[in-house]
Amino acid sequence: DAGVTQSPTHLIKTRGQQVTLRCSPKSGHDTVSWYQQALGQGPQFIFQYYEEEERQRGNFPDRFSGHQFPNYSSELNVNALLLGDSALYLCASSLAGGRANEQFFGPGTRLTVL
Amino acid sequence: EDKVVQSPLSLVVHEGDTVTLNCSYEVTNFRSLLWYKQEKKAPTFLFMLTSSGIEKKSGRLSSILDKKELFSILNITATQTGDSAVYLCADHASGNTGKLIFGQGTTLQVKP
Repeated sequence: DAGVTQSPTHLIKTRGQQVTLRCSPKSGHDTVSWYQQALGQGPQFIFQYYEEEERQRGNFPDRFSGHQFPNYSSELNVNALLLGDSALYLCASSLAGGRANEQFFGPGTRLTVL
Repeated sequence: EDKVVQSPLSLVVHEGDTVTLNCSYEVTNFRSLLWYKQEKKAPTFLFMLTSSGIEKKSGRLSSILDKKELFSILNITATQTGDSAVYLCADHASGNTGKLIFGQGTTLQVKP
């Protein structure tokens, strides 16, 4: 049973560029949440997707956008990158009809903005 | 605004010691509190607590929730070097969307 997968593992970008991160949820899961984890901090909720729609959003600017596909996989897009966007981006999947707070995390994408 | 605070922020112990990690929360419409262990990247699920006073146990790890005082503790007995990690506490916010609010984590280092 494949767990949550994310790609790429690492990414280096320069300020002003745009980036797309990808996530495939655990088999059987239909909900994907994205988190940003800065060094030495806990993960911060960006947004959650269910049925291909953004269901809830954290305190992140519109530069952060996402998408969910019919197969439940998801993308996180960040435009006009800032140095402060450097972080580990975690994707978590869960089952909306089950215990939605049992979220399973992927290994993350380490984004470095130079 | 909902908030989760963990203490201590870091801890160094020797193998065989017992440690207690603390998590306090201020959350409207509390649903549950979760503990995760993060070694390299992906946080791995440890416990979910919904009811006060009921201890959850898994091997040398145990956790309990106090909904009156708004805190939880995670105990690790007979620590091993493999327990070295960041331990994250998270609160399940209101509604059924599953948004988790995390504390800043406790970094545990277990020395041989």
